[in-house]
Amino acid sequence: GAVVSQHPSWVICKSGTSVKIECRSLDFQATTMFWYRQFPKQSLMLMATSNEGSKATYEQGVEKDKFLINHASLTLSTLTVTSAHPEDSSFYICSARDLGRGGGYEQYFGPGTRLTVT
Amino acid sequence: DAKTTQPTSMDCAEGRAANLPCNHSTISGNEYVYWYRQIHSQGPQYIIHGLKNNETNEMASLIITEDRKSSTLILPHATLRDTAVYYCIVRVAEETSGSRLTFGEGTQLTVNP
Repeated sequence: GAVVSQHPSWVICKSGTSVKIECRSLDFQATTMFWYRQFPKQSLMLMATSNEGSKATYEQGVEKDKFLINHASLTLSTLTVTSAHPEDSSFYICSARDLGRGGGYEQYFGPGTRLTVT
Repeated sequence: DAKTTQPTSMDCAEGRAANLPCNHSTISGNEYVYWYRQIHSQGPQYIIHGLKNNETNEMASLIITEDRKSSTLILPHATLRDTAVYYCIVRVAEETSGSRLTFGEGTQLTVNP
C-alpha cells in the first residue's frame, strides 16, 4: 500500500519557539495533502488542505499565520507551528491523496507527530 | 458530505467476527462509504470503501444495504491487534475542492482474549 512518513515522530519544544513537521509520500505522488490535529480522547480535526504549488486552504478557526503549511513538491509538505504554546501540544497527522490508484482517491495517513510544548 | 452515526463502543471475542454498523441515511448517490481505523497513537489506516456493491479485501468485508442508508464492516476473525477506533466516513470520491475526509467519533472496538 501507499506509504506516508512523518518526521519527527515526537518533539518537545519550549514555549515561544517554532517547530517544523515534515510529511512525505514515499511511493506515490500526492498533489493534495491534508493536516489534521488530534487532542487526547478526541477525533481527528482537519486543519488545512494543501495543493502542490499553491496556498493551503485552512478550516474555520485555524490560524493560518500560526500554522504555516508549505507544499513545494508532489512528495513533501511541511507544517510549521510558529510561536508554539502549551495549548498547541497535540498529535499532528498528515495525509496524502493518491491520484493513481483505482479512481477512489483514497487518503493515506502518516504515523503522526506528537508535539509537546513546555 | 453526509453525516454518519456509529455506536460509541463494541466488544468482540478474539477469533470471532466483529460486525461494526454505520448509519448514513442522508448519503447521496455519488458518495462512497469509507472505513478507516486508528490504533492508539498511530495514524489512521485505510480499510475498505464501496459505493453500492458489497466489497471484500484481505482486511475486511463491507456490506452496504440496498437503500445505501447503512453499512456494516465485518472483520471475519478478530484478533487482539484489531483493537482500535473504527471510523465510517461518507464522501464523494472524485477530486473536487471539497472532497476530503472528515472524521466523526468512530467506534472503539475492543477485542478480548
